[in-house]
Amino acid sequence: DVKVTQSSRYLVKRTGEKVFLECVQDMDHENMFWYRQDPGLGLRLIYFSYDVKMKEKGDIPEGYSVSREKKERFSLILESASTNQTSMYLCASNFALLYGTEAFFGQGTRLTVV
Amino acid sequence: AQTVTQSQPEMSVQEAETVTLSCTYDTSESDYYLFWYKQPPSRQMILVIRQEAYKQQNATENRFSVNFQKAAKSFSLKISDSQLGDAAMYFCAYSSSNTGKLIFGQGTTLQVKP
Repeated sequence: DVKVTQSSRYLVKRTGEKVFLECVQDMDHENMFWYRQDPGLGLRLIYFSYDVKMKEKGDIPEGYSVSREKKERFSLILESASTNQTSMYLCASNFALLYGTEAFFGQGTRLTVV
Repeated sequence: AQTVTQSQPEMSVQEAETVTLSCTYDTSESDYYLFWYKQPPSRQMILVIRQEAYKQQNATENRFSVNFQKAAKSFSLKISDSQLGDAAMYFCAYSSSNTGKLIFGQGTTLQVKP
């Protein structure tokens, strides 16, 4: 079974803290994605990575950065957390060489910034 | 840039009846992939059905089928014989064949009434 694991299901952080959200996949997928999910807005792409150390901005990259030092791990970083970054964060991965393949998702991290 | 739009925030259907969820998208690409994903209350995203843009034939998976209108950039999901377990949020998604970028619509919450 493909597994995409996010490090936390629930997280509470203070304004101004540096926050790391970790995602690990075990299927040797090239592509990895970070989304945030908000009511009425659906899933919005923050960043995606198509290879180690390679990244592309999504639709809402402001206030976020990412790191992909190893193929299986993709980290989302909030440099200085703000209350408007309170949201559900979803990580996903799929194969790059076979475009259009199914993306597999983690369970999501519900982040609250207070 | 590609966009995906789901204009129905909520839908409801009686158990055993048929419901259609709408999705439109915008792209300048000629080759791409379209998906419907289901997100039940557990938050785990599940692939429902997938369509390649170069295929004219509409995809079907058991009780789920799509109506793909490439010229109109429309991709609706039909659920036949609705079951209580179909209650979930449904997301329409687009995958670029050039970049592998995967983007989603706003989602439609489906309620199934017994």
